[in-house]
Amino acid sequence: GAVVSQHPSWVICKSGTSVKIECRSLDFQATTMFWYRQFPKQSLMLMATSNEGSKATYEQGVEKDKFLINHASLTLSTLTVTSAHPEDSSFYICSARPTGAGGTEAFFGQGTRLTVV
Amino acid sequence: RKEVEQDPGPFNVPEGATVAFNCTYSNSASQSFFWYRQDCRKEPKLLMSVYSSGNEDGRFTAQLNRASQYISLLIRDSKLSDSATYLCVVNRGGNAGKSTFGDGTTLTVKP
Repeated sequence: GAVVSQHPSWVICKSGTSVKIECRSLDFQATTMFWYRQFPKQSLMLMATSNEGSKATYEQGVEKDKFLINHASLTLSTLTVTSAHPEDSSFYICSARPTGAGGTEAFFGQGTRLTVV
Repeated sequence: RKEVEQDPGPFNVPEGATVAFNCTYSNSASQSFFWYRQDCRKEPKLLMSVYSSGNEDGRFTAQLNRASQYISLLIRDSKLSDSATYLCVVNRGGNAGKSTFGDGTTLTVKP
């Protein structure tokens, strides 16, 4: 199946610093990628939809200035958590669906476990 | 009301048992449906797609009832390795269709 690579797998950072997470589709192009966040014992919550060459679309309650998304190419989207705080500690996962395959499954990255201390 | 609702669980069953999970969705415009499996601290992985005609993959059977907006997953002859959280996922379709996840149902299969 298609592969989505997410990096890093885990990161520990100090409060106030910024962290960048990369999401790459390795063997397909994805005009759109999705960023999710999952807190312990909770489901995945969509944060934003990343659109290649245009601005991301953020879900209600997600601060666009805090969670910066850049989708510079058809195979790469990045999420930057700016001025991270302990409450941002979570499991962040990206997903991508091959361009033109609207109804098919989404492929998930391995996830990034962010711990802010 | 949540867009996708699942049995709260958890389900604790012995090996060999048959277990069924239910899921309902509220958006009648939803177009595609999936069951994902998520192991602890890992990313979700597709278990199977769900079709109106029903589909079976080994010990797993999925059903979709569009009229009732209801999805089910049946696991027969449970194995220890089936222990995981099962996520019901609904997609609105289109090239950029967003996926909405249920909260998941946790299954623990015991010896």
